[in-house]
Amino acid sequence: QKEVEQDPGPLSVPEGAIVSLNCTYSNSAFQYFMWYRQYSRKGPELLMYTYSSGNKEDGRFTAQVDKSSKYISLFIRDSQPSDSATYLCAMTTSGGYNKLIFGAGTRLAVHP
Amino acid sequence: DVKVTQSSRYLVKRTGEKVFLECVQDMDHENMFWYRQDPGLGLRLIYFSYDVKMKEKGDIPEGYSVSREKKERFSLILESASTNQTSMYLCASEGDSSYEQYFGPGTRLTVT
Repeated sequence: QKEVEQDPGPLSVPEGAIVSLNCTYSNSAFQYFMWYRQYSRKGPELLMYTYSSGNKEDGRFTAQVDKSSKYISLFIRDSQPSDSATYLCAMTTSGGYNKLIFGAGTRLAVHP
Repeated sequence: DVKVTQSSRYLVKRTGEKVFLECVQDMDHENMFWYRQDPGLGLRLIYFSYDVKMKEKGDIPEGYSVSREKKERFSLILESASTNQTSMYLCASEGDSSYEQYFGPGTRLTVT
């Protein structure tokens, strides 16, 4: 079993839809949770970062962490074609040299 | 703006060749990482370095080695390329006090 599970999709939604992207994990020591966005032919870039449980909002994006269920989510409101990308969850424990464990990534397509 | 550059975007090599992938960052970051990205498997850590001349094995170091002679430069070496090393290779850097990794654009390596 992988340490971090993420549905690879693809996920196709119409413009304006609410998108929900999810990851589950098995290591209860994970404390830091991130979402990276990767456009085609580019490297990933950090989108959202959350420490421990709770919600964090940034514009149209909301990240949620439920440590009791070992489940994290990224919500995108009013999705736009420019949101079409692969979204990777990543997480790490508090120690070490920030060795990130990544999910496989979910490919999202937002069509006009 | 942090910039991470990789020496080549696309590379085609023959089985048995020695391959050098170079990565340079311009933010004086202490930590640097090499990943490979494959469909359905996400990003997997090959090697990382937390200081000049220091290196640590990641999750899949077999068949690879690294070199970090200067702080800004981290090289990945495939001693004898094999077809199962055909992949996208991503370099990242990270400051000591941050959990954010900055990625380069990637090198798509094909070994024939």
